[in-house]
Amino acid sequence: DQQVKQNSPSLSVQEGRISILNCDYTNSMFDYFLWYKKYPAEGPTFLISISSIKDKNEDGRFTVFLNKSAKHLSLHIVPSQPGDSAVYFCAASASSSNTGKLIFGQGTTLQVKP
Amino acid sequence: KAGVTQTPRYLIKTRGQQVTLSCSPISGHRSVSWYQQTPGQGLQFLFEYFSETQRNKGNFPGRFSGRQFSNSRSEMNVSTLELGDSALYLCASSWTIGVGRANVLTFGAGSRLTVL
Repeated sequence: DQQVKQNSPSLSVQEGRISILNCDYTNSMFDYFLWYKKYPAEGPTFLISISSIKDKNEDGRFTVFLNKSAKHLSLHIVPSQPGDSAVYFCAASASSSNTGKLIFGQGTTLQVKP
Repeated sequence: KAGVTQTPRYLIKTRGQQVTLSCSPISGHRSVSWYQQTPGQGLQFLFEYFSETQRNKGNFPGRFSGRQFSNSRSEMNVSTLELGDSALYLCASSWTIGVGRANVLTFGAGSRLTVL
């Protein structure tokens, strides 16, 4: 049972344009959502998070949008840069569960072309 | 401060063998989690330790086990290796968790296991 899904395995965009990565979830208990970026031969690094009490969170070029009714979140990168080329994972947690467990999606490989 | 350190970075084993992977969390972090990454499957949660106690366990067979020491360092062990165990094993640490907080994990670079 995949509770967090990233249905697009890959995405290719031109440098300077917007990248939109999508993520869907099924568990209504999730109240925090995070995005991680992973380069080859490195561990995932934290990008940005959002609480379920918000619908938007911004950090520089990265913005995460949350639509609770649709159980959908998206990560927008504007403008996209070649250095953003990596695998992006969305993850969810239920803070009330009092564990550190994160549920990850399968990942989306972003390629930003110069 | 130093990040999460995992050793070894790469290893090759044959079917039936066992393997032990090590993880040193960020100093002061008491929670250590382990994840398995395989192509197309994302990161699958293995287990989580907090103060030397396993707090949560994923849907993996009993061949996968782990432990945490008093200094928060953690090890995971896989016995009777199978070809399907070939994966990147990631360790992550966090200071603590709490209700109403996002659990931001800091990951190590991983241990790449190949089973032949």
